[in-house]
Amino acid sequence: AQSVTQPDIHITVSEGASLELRCNYSYGATPYLFWYVQSPGQGLQLLLKYFSGDTLVQGIKGFEAEFKRSQSSFNLRKPSVHWSDAAEYFCAVGGRNTGFQKLVFGTGTRLLVSP
Amino acid sequence: DAMVIQNPRYQVTQFGKPVTLSCSQTLNHNVMYWYQQKSSQAPKLLFHYYDKDFNNEADTPDNFQSRRPNTSFCFLDIRSPGLGDAAMYLCATRRDGTETQYFGPGTRLLVL
Repeated sequence: AQSVTQPDIHITVSEGASLELRCNYSYGATPYLFWYVQSPGQGLQLLLKYFSGDTLVQGIKGFEAEFKRSQSSFNLRKPSVHWSDAAEYFCAVGGRNTGFQKLVFGTGTRLLVSP
Repeated sequence: DAMVIQNPRYQVTQFGKPVTLSCSQTLNHNVMYWYQQKSSQAPKLLFHYYDKDFNNEADTPDNFQSRRPNTSFCFLDIRSPGLGDAAMYLCATRRDGTETQYFGPGTRLLVL
């Protein structure tokens, strides 16, 4: 069965520092991978997605993620964090196994940004 | 702008009193989803509609029902809310043949 692991429940980063959020997935076929961000009390906003091709994908708000098949990982990165990036980040996997019908989410990583 | 809209954003109901949450979309997507998200947890899929075809998740309680009267609207009905049903309820849409789901802002339900 497909699953997503986000090993870090909380991460604190100083403003201006770089960020990496980890995501590992288990999927029996070609995965379709997503990162969503959720600000407090808000819905989920799509940051970026990977389906195929270049394994380094660019998203909105200066985020990028790299797909590494050998490590079953899809880590999210940002070179310089802004205070407005404080939010909860969810990695999700979907794909042909589910007929594109269902996303499986990780448990999320809460990002705190210190001054 | 095309979007997914959820109303109300906050809903307070009493224990056992039926409540309906609303989702509408201007994206003209044929697939619509309802998720339940409890505090500090991942969204959990309750059910989805593929056009008019309703697909229930195996572990969704019978207390949760849904209606989709047309492409644009989808409703979540909780027949007898319990304290454990307090959560954020997220609606999402997707166009068939694509992979990305687009989420609304959510409705936060409080059960007193």
